[in-house]
Amino acid sequence: NAGVTQTPKFQVLKTGQSMTLQCAQDMNHEYMSWYRQDPGMGLRLIHYSVGAGITDQGEVPNGYNVSRSTTEDFPLRLLSAAPSQTSVYFCASRLTSGAAYEQYFGPGTRLTVT
Amino acid sequence: KNQVEQSPQSLIILEGKNCTLQCNYTVSPFSNLRWYKQDTGRGPVSLTIMTFSENTKSNGRYTATLDADTKQSSLHITASQLSDSASYICVVSPLGAGSYQLTFGKGTKLSVIP
Repeated sequence: NAGVTQTPKFQVLKTGQSMTLQCAQDMNHEYMSWYRQDPGMGLRLIHYSVGAGITDQGEVPNGYNVSRSTTEDFPLRLLSAAPSQTSVYFCASRLTSGAAYEQYFGPGTRLTVT
Repeated sequence: KNQVEQSPQSLIILEGKNCTLQCNYTVSPFSNLRWYKQDTGRGPVSLTIMTFSENTKSNGRYTATLDADTKQSSLHITASQLSDSASYICVVSPLGAGSYQLTFGKGTKLSVIP
């Protein structure tokens, strides 16, 4: 098992550009989510999905879109990048949305918006 | 608003010594509490998960305790090693419909020196 994979590892964007951060898992997990991690702050939930075709907003969804067409993939789209979106982005997955199931994180994507 | 507070913010200890990290939370109703280890530049990795009915959980040299009445948890590291240098993050999950919305602490940065 590869676990949770993310691409790219690093990305530099100019203000206004768009891009997609990729996330995939091979553990057949129903629940997938995207977080951002900023210095001095805890991880914050951007969007999440409880299964293929179902997505919902988290704590900080503005400026981001997601879709879940398959169980394995959960891409995060930045529509028009802003400097405030400079952050480290983590994708995570777990078996289901409820209960105390182990949550697995990807290695992260470090994004800089200039 | 649900909050997770961790202390200390940072800690330096000598290799071989023990240490204890603290976590206080206001999440209610409460489902489970997790401790993660995050190495620099990598995604968080789960150490322990405790439900509200559990008082202690061990994972090798890591022992987590939970007092659901006082809403406090601690992570004790025994016989520290250089590889324990990392950030340790306390994460609390609410009970019920919001169980997907984990609340993350800001972490304690531990440095183990020779």
